[in-house]
Amino acid sequence: KAGVTQTPRYLIKTRGQQVTLSCSPISGHRSVSWYQQTPGQGLQFLFEYFSETQRNKGNFPGRFSGRQFSNSRSEMNVSTLELGDSALYLCASSSGRQEEKLFFGSGTQLSVL
Amino acid sequence: SQQGEEDPQALSIQEGENATMNCSYKTSINNLQWYRQNSGRGLVHLILIRSNEREKHSGRLRVTLDTSKKSSSLLITASRAADTASYFCATDPYQGGKLIFGQGTELSVKP
Repeated sequence: KAGVTQTPRYLIKTRGQQVTLSCSPISGHRSVSWYQQTPGQGLQFLFEYFSETQRNKGNFPGRFSGRQFSNSRSEMNVSTLELGDSALYLCASSSGRQEEKLFFGSGTQLSVL
Repeated sequence: SQQGEEDPQALSIQEGENATMNCSYKTSINNLQWYRQNSGRGLVHLILIRSNEREKHSGRLRVTLDTSKKSSSLLITASRAADTASYFCATDPYQGGKLIFGQGTELSVKP
């Protein structure tokens, strides 16, 4: 089984631009979660999608949004980028049942200049 | 704010020694999980312990959970240089699909 695939691996943007990150979950997994990882704040939960519906949301501004497609692939969008958005963005998939472990992708390293 | 606090933040040991990492959390949980992350990469699940369990083993890993103290520990026995990584505890606060991660412990195992 192929693992969780995130693209692109690295991204450099400037302040004010927007960015879209992509995540392909493990085949059969219906839940996709997104996390932001920074040295200062650690791993912060962004949101979780299950069967194309947002099921959980973290405490991030509305500039951060996501969606999930019928094939469970997910995209995350950040608009009006700020320097503080520089981070490793990690996507994780699972079947969506409770007490499930998460399978993480390698992440997208976003640098905002 | 983070649910979990991990201690120590960094740990350096020699190969063959045991490594113990601790995690404390704030609210009731459904389960607690431990993950490992090699530098700049994704996280890999190590072990899950449910709220009604007190101890669990998996290979060289031993996890304990004390819900009365809201704390957990991860013990890696006979450590190897390949165990060098950051280790995170994550709690599942009954919100399915959402894990709350601690700040992590950076483990360095010297050959």
